Amino acid sequence: DAKTTQPTSMDCAEGRAANLPCNHSTISGNEYVYWYRQIHSQGPQYIIHGLKNNETNEMASLIITEDRKSSTLILPHATLRDTAVYYCIVRAASDMRFGAGTRLTVKP
Amino acid sequence: GAVVSQHPSWVICKSGTSVKIECRSLDFQATTMFWYRQFPKQSLMLMATSNEGSKATYEQGVEKDKFLINHASLTLSTLTVTSAHPEDSSFYICSAGYEQYFGPGTRLTVT
Repeated sequence: DAKTTQPTSMDCAEGRAANLPCNHSTISGNEYVYWYRQIHSQGPQYIIHGLKNNETNEMASLIITEDRKSSTLILPHATLRDTAVYYCIVRAASDMRFGAGTRLTVKP
Repeated sequence: GAVVSQHPSWVICKSGTSVKIECRSLDFQATTMFWYRQFPKQSLMLMATSNEGSKATYEQGVEKDKFLINHASLTLSTLTVTSAHPEDSSFYICSAGYEQYFGPGTRLTVT
């Protein structure tokens, strides 16, 4: 079973920041937080991952709370191409289990 | 780098026949590959973990005799759906390596 809780759907205006929350209150000390997204009928795309520190790459920023029980994925300037289902996953071992994710719709 | 391909991208087969789906890591070697299945409007469900040179590990509820997995090399894993039925119609996705780079998926339709 997935160990994360995410909103079912969110909307965001094009050009604005998209902030996608994720709750993972039962996360263990050795588990990382991963974010993937899936555009319709494609394989998931890796976005970012982190353990306890905030992380940033060319796609997004990941903010993890100090108690690690929740995190937020930030797309700083959302575009229409960012419309997708975003999955927050916690993992320690090699396998990865997906929850329902958040369907983000970026609107013009 | 870290490209994973799948072949075919889509396939239609008749009920009762078998179909093989290939997953290749193009620019890296993967000791471990994973197979997922995704039904319409649902999330990905892990079917099995494929380890090079050994038997695959199947998730609970996944029939190992129906979904045959072979991981004969560090760059290739195959999933064979045997005696396919319409309820096997789904989007099959593989991933490779610890970082789990995903392939583009294979859409299987069984008529």
